[in-house]
Amino acid sequence: GQQVMQIPQYQHVQEGEDFTTYCNSSTTLSNIQWYKQRPGGHPVFLIQLVKSGEVKKQKRLTFQFGEAKKNSSLHITATQTTDVGTYFCAGPFRDSGAGSYQLTFGKGTKLSVIP
Amino acid sequence: SQTIHQWPATLVQPVGSPLSLECTVEGTSNPNLYWYRQAAGRGLQLLFYSVGIGQISSEVPQNLSASRPQDRQFILSSKKLLLSDSGFYLCAWSVGSAENIQYFGAGTRLSVL
Repeated sequence: GQQVMQIPQYQHVQEGEDFTTYCNSSTTLSNIQWYKQRPGGHPVFLIQLVKSGEVKKQKRLTFQFGEAKKNSSLHITATQTTDVGTYFCAGPFRDSGAGSYQLTFGKGTKLSVIP
Repeated sequence: SQTIHQWPATLVQPVGSPLSLECTVEGTSNPNLYWYRQAAGRGLQLLFYSVGIGQISSEVPQNLSASRPQDRQFILSSKKLLLSDSGFYLCAWSVGSAENIQYFGAGTRLSVL
């Protein structure tokens, strides 16, 4: 079953409004990663969070890792048209077959920005 | 620096035809390699991953197969394409632990008609 839940699935915002996407895991994670996929493009790594309660910023983007290391959020302040795309979170989960950890991606949040 | 090459960028194939998509990585040794499929507007579905030459793990039973004939080469194949094989195919690599950061190729957009 789905191990990383991301909400919302879609978000339409007016340019200048804020945007937040949430990622929830069924288990405690050693780290969580965020990727951005522009329309027609491929996923590009944005950031990795490792510590409980960690907060990292990249210009207008703020990433948080929950205290229990089971959830994370990405917040964009004052969205711009360049923020359009799908944002994925990803966390390592144990592959039951191989016994090793594999990165599992959420289904993503598709952000549309209305100029 | 490391780079990943994936080709072709787009492909239109008839149902029942074979498929071969190639992915190569430069600038790193013994990478973990991945094939994903993404249906239109959907998430990433992991198809295959490989931690070394000749080592392939399949995540989803399907009409596709993967091979890794060289350390930095990963090939996705099918003997007979189905309509449902249409999608955006992405190759990715990582180093070290398989839970580490992944870097994606530009992808191949496959349409099966």
